[in-house]
Amino acid sequence: DIQMTQSPFSLSASVGDTVTITCRASQSISGLLAWYQHKPGEAPNLLIYRASTLESGVPSRFRGSGSGTEFTLTITNLQSDDFATYYCQQYSGSSRTFGQGTKVEIK
Amino acid sequence: EVRLVESGGGLVKPGGSLRLSCAASGFTFSSYNMNWVRQAPGKGLEWVSSISSTSAFIYYAESVRGRFTISRDHAEKSLYLQMDSLRGDDTAVYYCVKNRIAGSAAPFDYWGPGIPVTVSS
Repeated sequence: DIQMTQSPFSLSASVGDTVTITCRASQSISGLLAWYQHKPGEAPNLLIYRASTLESGVPSRFRGSGSGTEFTLTITNLQSDDFATYYCQQYSGSSRTFGQGTKVEIK
Repeated sequence: EVRLVESGGGLVKPGGSLRLSCAASGFTFSSYNMNWVRQAPGKGLEWVSSISSTSAFIYYAESVRGRFTISRDHAEKSLYLQMDSLRGDDTAVYYCVKNRIAGSAAPFDYWGPGIPVTVSS
């Protein structure tokens, strides 16, 4: 099975900051990577798919990039609504592995 | 409007069984691959199982393979997860999840609200 390693585990930031989260796959996933935002008590929300395509309705301050086995999620001009846990997920193999998650907290 | 509503969760003893159901509406259920994802207390999201639109392709996470069985009923527009030989580390909120597009290589776009399962004596 493909393993996904996400970092950092958590980070503290302020409103207006830019944050970057990294996800590494154990093998090439042909760009079949998604990013989700998850807030407590809510269902996860799809932000980006195919590594860099923004889901409809998602603000443009969210940007995905990468290829092969290395991917990043960048959030610019961080807003109060963005404090949440973020997960990457590969959907290349027969499994659908998630990264461990990155909790973005208010500094 | 797409709706996914899970049911069948609750408290069960170790070694016991439970069957989760997910009622789907607002989309052509028979066209989409469906999935189960869980989140244990204080932990991250864990993919559990996927089933193709025709049920021809079924996959499980290593942690549940041989104990859980995914299935679907198009007439009932329902997804199921039969969970046997339950263990304490199966305690989690279980989500019913839809693929974003018809076909296998797709992310997840709609999630149910989740149903808690607690395995404890």
